[in-house]
Amino acid sequence: GENVEQHPSTLSVQEGDSAVIKCTYSDSASNYFPWYKQELGKGPQLIIDIRSNVGEKKDQRIAVTLNKTAKHFSLHITETQPEDSAVYFCAARGGTSYGKLTFGQGTILTVHP
Amino acid sequence: EAQVTQNPRYLITVTGKKLTVTCSQNMNHEYMSWYRQDPGLGLRQIYYSMNVEVTDKGDVPEGYKVSRKEKRNFPLILESPSPNQTSLYFCASSRTGTGPNTIYFGEGSWLTVV
Repeated sequence: GENVEQHPSTLSVQEGDSAVIKCTYSDSASNYFPWYKQELGKGPQLIIDIRSNVGEKKDQRIAVTLNKTAKHFSLHITETQPEDSAVYFCAARGGTSYGKLTFGQGTILTVHP
Repeated sequence: EAQVTQNPRYLITVTGKKLTVTCSQNMNHEYMSWYRQDPGLGLRQIYYSMNVEVTDKGDVPEGYKVSRKEKRNFPLILESPSPNQTSLYFCASSRTGTGPNTIYFGEGSWLTVV
């Protein structure tokens, strides 16, 4: 089955700096890669996603890049703010595993004012 | 408002005492799923359901049961809970069909088995 590795496990940045979180996946048939943000006491919420036919997608301060050949994808947050502090999860959905997301281990992002 | 609602949010129970965590969604989604979240392991799928009366095992189904008698509800049943089932549980739902079909998560249920 699919295996997703996420790094780093913790990331600490100063407000205004950029943050990058990286994930690799094992199943070359995976075709959908969402990123979730989980705030304390809440369920994961989708912040951005990318499909396998696209190399990059941007939404304001957040961008995701996908390298299908290398089987890795990354989340980029620019101009970080304290409210970006949360746990971030990457995930991958395989071509034959409808609906099932395989998650990375999570990254605890802390943005210091 | 689109919602996935889980109950209870917090529960402490004893080993062997059967419990049910309910999950309900108001988006008429066909697909529903249960995940457990443990430190350093991310979210792992327990069971999922593609539609009413259709359920299947995820990656970590041992010790759990589910049922899908109605489209909106997908309860998670622990027949004889054990301490290794202490975890944070999330229910999720999505549409099926073409497209990325965003998966929506509930707020989570903290379960402690002593």
